[in-house]
Amino acid sequence: DTAVSQTPKYLVTQMGNDKSIKCEQNLGHDTMYWYKQDSKKFLKIMFSYNNKELIINETVPNRFSPKSPDKAHLNLHINSLELGDSAVYFCASSQDAALYGYTFGSGTRLTVV
Amino acid sequence: RKEVEQDPGPFNVPEGATVAFNCTYSNSASQSFFWYRQDCRKEPKLLMSVYSSGNEDGRFTAQLNRASQYISLLIRDSKLSDSATYLCVVKGGMYSGGGADGLTFGKGTHLIIQP
Repeated sequence: DTAVSQTPKYLVTQMGNDKSIKCEQNLGHDTMYWYKQDSKKFLKIMFSYNNKELIINETVPNRFSPKSPDKAHLNLHINSLELGDSAVYFCASSQDAALYGYTFGSGTRLTVV
Repeated sequence: RKEVEQDPGPFNVPEGATVAFNCTYSNSASQSFFWYRQDCRKEPKLLMSVYSSGNEDGRFTAQLNRASQYISLLIRDSKLSDSATYLCVVKGGMYSGGGADGLTFGKGTHLIIQP
């Protein structure tokens, strides 16, 4: 009965590869997000989707692309992985962030070698 | 000036003591404020919202000072299990993405409760 689940939990891959991280929420929330937490522990938003529409798109490389097949899913695709992409990626969802904040998934620790 | 600034610590505090963190934010138009807790290698979890009038949840008290643009978190009678990183979070701001629901996170204050 996990609220926000993301897979895989750990991902180790070589430079240049293409990988995907999946996220699903069963909370019925309207908005989903991807955040990146780097080695300095700074959490920075990458994308958000509301009703299948991208409404936030930070200055991330276009090697990163979010894909939302439906309201409950927001997957993250990364092409041509680079060493600097190594980080923990968190998926989150919200219904009314102003009142309730976000619910986060448990994170995907990506290591690019 | 950073969007949301916190003292990174670590704060080493004996069990049972009272500890307070402050956080300042730069966007005077920010409307919603939160404290999140993040344990090592875990996801951030909402600890409490911060209301203008101040609010309390058990041993935790949050205060907001809009005029000075700072938020505080007070933990009384600290427990070993309170050891974690505490993230100050503000709705809105340049780096939140500009969207209606964007939240901006501070880098966190690391708290260590010692027995």
